[in-house]
Amino acid sequence: DTGVSQNPRHKITKRGQNVTFRCDPISEHNRLYWYRQTLGQGPEFLTYFQNEAQLEKSRLLSDRFSAERPKGSFSTLEIQRTEQGDSAMYLCASSPSLLGRYGYTFGSGTRLTVV
Amino acid sequence: DQQVKQNSPSLSVQEGRISILNCDYTNSMFDYFLWYKKYPAEGPTFLISISSIKDKNEDGRFTVFLNKSAKHLSLHIVPSQPGDSAVYFCAASGAYSGGGADGLTFGKGTHLIIQP
Repeated sequence: DTGVSQNPRHKITKRGQNVTFRCDPISEHNRLYWYRQTLGQGPEFLTYFQNEAQLEKSRLLSDRFSAERPKGSFSTLEIQRTEQGDSAMYLCASSPSLLGRYGYTFGSGTRLTVV
Repeated sequence: DQQVKQNSPSLSVQEGRISILNCDYTNSMFDYFLWYKKYPAEGPTFLISISSIKDKNEDGRFTVFLNKSAKHLSLHIVPSQPGDSAVYFCAASGAYSGGGADGLTFGKGTHLIIQP
């Protein structure tokens, strides 16, 4: 098991373009989370999935953001019409069911720079 | 509104001494607290946690203390080692606490620097 994998590690895009990130969780983990971390801040919760069902979305997740987890395996996070304020580290994490709030495993993140 | 606060952006400690990292919270719905450690270019790594029904949890060199009445927790590292140099995040969870039913609310982190 290689842990939580995120791709790409870095993404530079022009303002207004769409971007998509991928997260592959630990295989036996049912729950998958997306967080965003900006400079000087801690990670901020965006959304999470239980298998393929998206159970909760933060108010931080504007309508330009969409996340999917088809078949309850990997997940994608898409940002449409990117803005400079979207520049951040996007972190994915996974956990076994029912243990999420007791700590989970993060990936190394995708760093997005919008120019 | 910061529900989890780490008021020290950085802390410098001599190798072999005790490192004490502090965290305050405001939301009384939090009932589980965690510490994560983060190296540059890596995701946060879970370190230690504590339930609100306890006031202390120990794991090797790491001990977390919880003072519910003061809404304060601290992480003690004894003895401090060079590999402990990292950013440490305090996080909290609890039903309807704002991080999602299963989400964590993080502080801004404290950069711990262990000096030889």
